[in-house]
Amino acid sequence: DTEVTQTPKHLVMGMTNKKSLKCEQHMGHRAMYWYKQKAKKPPELMFVYSYEKLSINESVPSRFSPECPNSSLLNLHLHALQPEDSALYLCASSQDRGLRTEAFFGQGTRLTVV
Amino acid sequence: GQQLNQSPQSMFIQEGEDVSMNCTSSSIFNTWLWYKQDPGEGPVLLIALYKAGELTSNGRLTAQFGTTRKDSFLNISASIPSDVGIYFCAGVSMIKAAVNKLTFGGGTRVLVKP
Repeated sequence: DTEVTQTPKHLVMGMTNKKSLKCEQHMGHRAMYWYKQKAKKPPELMFVYSYEKLSINESVPSRFSPECPNSSLLNLHLHALQPEDSALYLCASSQDRGLRTEAFFGQGTRLTVV
Repeated sequence: GQQLNQSPQSMFIQEGEDVSMNCTSSSIFNTWLWYKQDPGEGPVLLIALYKAGELTSNGRLTAQFGTTRKDSFLNISASIPSDVGIYFCAGVSMIKAAVNKLTFGGGTRVLVKP
C-alpha cells in the first residue's frame, strides 16, 4: 500500500476564513511533506516533518501553519489567505531510511481563495 | 538553490512511438525519481533510481541514473494514449540526518499528435 490520503479534495475559502487541510498515511513513513503547486509548474516544497518534528520551513508565510499530531497525520492550517495562495496543495511521505528516500504523494487539495 | 533542467518542455507523441526525456543538474543527487501527473491529481511515482549508472525498467518505462550523478533520463517505449500527462524528474538530496529534500525539474508535457 503506497497510499497518502488528503482531504478535502476541493476547498473554496474567503480571505477571512480559517480552514485546515488534512493528510494521512499508514505506511510507517517517518517523513511527511507539504508542497504547493501552481498550474503548469512543478511542486514547490513548503514544509518537511521528520519524526514528527518540523525540519524544514521554506520561508513560508505564517498564514500557513503546519502541524504533525502523530506519525500518520499531517495538517496544514490556513488563516487569512490571499487569492494568490490558490493552488494545488500536495502532501507526501517517505520512509527516509537508508536508500529508501522515494516520496509518495496524495491526490492533493485544490484550494481556491476568494 | 539547486536547479534541475528538464527537457523537452513538451512533446507530441503518436501511438506506438518511443519517447525520451532527460534531466540535468549542476549538483549531485543521491536518488533520482520520475513521476507522472495527470490533471487535478497528485504525482505518481514511476521509477526510483538509487545508484550511479543504474538502469531500471517498469513495464514500458526505462530510466537511468547518470554516472556523474548529475543527470537522468526516462524512455517510454511504444507509447499509448494514456501516456499523456506531465512527467517530472526529481533529485533527492540529504539536508541533514533523516531529512531529505526533493528538487523537481520543470516537467515534460506529453501530448497526443492531432
